[in-house]
Amino acid sequence: QVQLVQSGAEVKKPGASVNVSCKTSGYTFTGYYIHWVRQAPGQGLEWMGWINPHYGDTKFAEEFQGRVSMTRDTSSATAYMELNSLTSDDAAVYYCARDPFGEDLFDHWGQGTRVTVSS
Amino acid sequence: DIQMTQSPPSLSASVGDRVTITCRASQDIRNYLAWYQQTPGKPPKALIYAASTLQSGVPSRFRGSGSGTDFTLTITSLQPEDVATYYCQKYNRGVAFGGGTKVQIK
Repeated sequence: QVQLVQSGAEVKKPGASVNVSCKTSGYTFTGYYIHWVRQAPGQGLEWMGWINPHYGDTKFAEEFQGRVSMTRDTSSATAYMELNSLTSDDAAVYYCARDPFGEDLFDHWGQGTRVTVSS
Repeated sequence: DIQMTQSPPSLSASVGDRVTITCRASQDIRNYLAWYQQTPGKPPKALIYAASTLQSGVPSRFRGSGSGTDFTLTITSLQPEDVATYYCQKYNRGVAFGGGTKVQIK
C-alpha cells in the first residue's frame, strides 16, 4: 500500500533551518509529484510547493520563494523539504502529500512533522 | 489568486442528520474541487475530487456536488466518526484551501 513516512519532530532556534524528510513506499516514486503543506497550530492548511521526483524540478508558493528548497533521492524514494531563516511564524506541522494526477491534488499524506521554533 | 470561502466555520448536528457544507470560489474553477477530512492530530484524508468523485474506500454517505464557483459537501446521515474538520481545495493550476468547517455532534 502507498505510504509516506516523515521524519520526527524538530525544535529549532529562530534563524535556523529545518530539513524534513518524506520516505515513500508502495508505488513508483518517480511517477508522482510530491507536495508540501503546512498547518500552524489551530489554523488551516497552507500549500508550500511541489517537487517532481522524476526530473527534480520544483515550484514554490510565492510566500516561501527564496526560503524553501525541495529535493529528492530517487535511490531511497525520499523527498526532502528545507526551510531556512525560521521565525516563530514557521511553527507548524509540515505534511508531504502525493499528487495522483499531476494536478495539485492530494491522495495520500504523510503523518506530519511538528516543527517548533523557540529561543 | 483564487480564494476559497467555506461556510459555516462550524456546525453541530445530531447523529443521523443531513449535514451540508458549502465552498465558494472567487473565480470559475470548473470542477477542480476536492474535499478533505481531518481529525485532531491526524493528516487530512482525501474524500472527494473532481467535485463529486469519491476517493476509494470513502463511505457513500459523503456526497459532493457543484461546479463553477459553488460547491457542496453533504453527509447524508451524520455518524460519530464523522466528527472532524472538513476542507475544500481548489486544484489544477494552483492550490487554494478553504478555511475549514468543524463538524461536531450535538
